Amino acid sequence: VQLLESGGGNVQPGGSLRISCAATGFSFSTYAMAWVRQAPGKGLQWVSSISGSDGTTYYADSVRGRFTISRDNSKNTVSLQMNSLTVEDTAVYFCAKDLSGGATVSTCDYWGQGTQVTVSS
Amino acid sequence: SFELAQPPSVSVSPGLTATITCSGEKLANKFSSWYQQKPGQSPLLLIYQDSKRPSGVPDRFSGSNSGDALTLTISETQALDEADYFCQAWDSRAGMVFGGGTKLTVL
Repeated sequence: VQLLESGGGNVQPGGSLRISCAATGFSFSTYAMAWVRQAPGKGLQWVSSISGSDGTTYYADSVRGRFTISRDNSKNTVSLQMNSLTVEDTAVYFCAKDLSGGATVSTCDYWGQGTQVTVSS
Repeated sequence: SFELAQPPSVSVSPGLTATITCSGEKLANKFSSWYQQKPGQSPLLLIYQDSKRPSGVPDRFSGSNSGDALTLTISETQALDEADYFCQAWDSRAGMVFGGGTKLTVL
């Protein structure tokens, strides 16, 4: 299993950014996927999840209405479109795979290396 | 809202047992997980469904759920166990919830 994030970078407050994760080594459409972020020197915070087959989405309150998670099972990718970014969104964003193939991500058994998103003027 | 609380730091001498606790409400009906994160690395799943270990995780690591608290126990602690440890549970309203993390120091 490999998860490779891309698309991170620097963006001004109020701006937008799209990050993606390419997955290999498992039956991608079977598993829910998640984005988890970690602000500098802080703990882990779940951001969003998407189910494997029907694309049901879930969001943390802090990002609902601003972020949109999506997946392309034909390309084995999951993406996070981030709009109206604030300095509080500055973090390393990890892509993670669900352990058990349930409707949402309840436990992450594989994580990518992360992609840095910095929101600053 | 559902929250998990961990002590910020725990210290242990090499060869002894380290215990990291994680408190929260209504844990009896929630499965928990524990992750290890070393500086500059991604989190690593150590324990899932309260007490199960993924393949490759040493049996020195064990977990439990008393209903009132989650516990990660590391026996025969080694210097390489020095890391941040995060508990996590899933809540139907809050989604994936992580504890704030505990820095384990082996000295």
